[in-house]
Amino acid sequence: DSGVTQTPKHLITATGQRVTLRCSPRSGDLSVYWYQQSLDQGLQFLIQYYNGEERAKGNILERFSAQQFPDLHSELNLSSLELGDSALYFCASSPQGQGTDTQYFGPGTRLTVL
Amino acid sequence: AQSVAQPEDQVNVAEGNPLTVKCTYSVSGNPYLFWYVQYPNRGLQFLLKYITGDNLVKGSYGFEAEFNKSQTSFHLKKPSALVSDSALYFCAVRRGNSGYSTLTFGKGTMLLVSP
Repeated sequence: DSGVTQTPKHLITATGQRVTLRCSPRSGDLSVYWYQQSLDQGLQFLIQYYNGEERAKGNILERFSAQQFPDLHSELNLSSLELGDSALYFCASSPQGQGTDTQYFGPGTRLTVL
Repeated sequence: AQSVAQPEDQVNVAEGNPLTVKCTYSVSGNPYLFWYVQYPNRGLQFLLKYITGDNLVKGSYGFEAEFNKSQTSFHLKKPSALVSDSALYFCAVRRGNSGYSTLTFGKGTMLLVSP
């Protein structure tokens, strides 16, 4: 158990809908990262937050947005969902968001868009 | 830009034999290198990392990896494989001293250890 929690575990929804994925980092970690894992794209970095502020952006679609709250939990919002958005979404956290940090991953949210 | 290549989609090894999972990287400057393992329906678990110092890094569950700067490689090794080591292994790299901690992952290598 990494100490990173994600809810929900599974999410099934329809095209065009909007969903919110939630992540709580390990105690004391200030930085949160979101990743998308799919069979065709592999593991793709989406976005990083550090202490409430956006730190880095990866291959995140404009339909997706995220934020980190004062209590350091983070939410990833996915809107206008398409079939291709079906994937595993992982959250990871690290102490300072620095290069030497180890990122610890949560168990993931499996999103199925029908 | 930074990238990682894991040239083998799958590695098969018999229990008790040594295993190697290959990883090569491309990054400007000094690399920070990581190995993670993913069991079915689970998140990624950290195994080990190379930041600086000794080229041989020891990690969790008896795994180790050797950093080779001239060959730009960071292969994962274990002297004696266990059936329970069967999983998906990811190598990842980030550029050192870039100020940010974004990781670029390889496509993963499935390790199958037969009894």
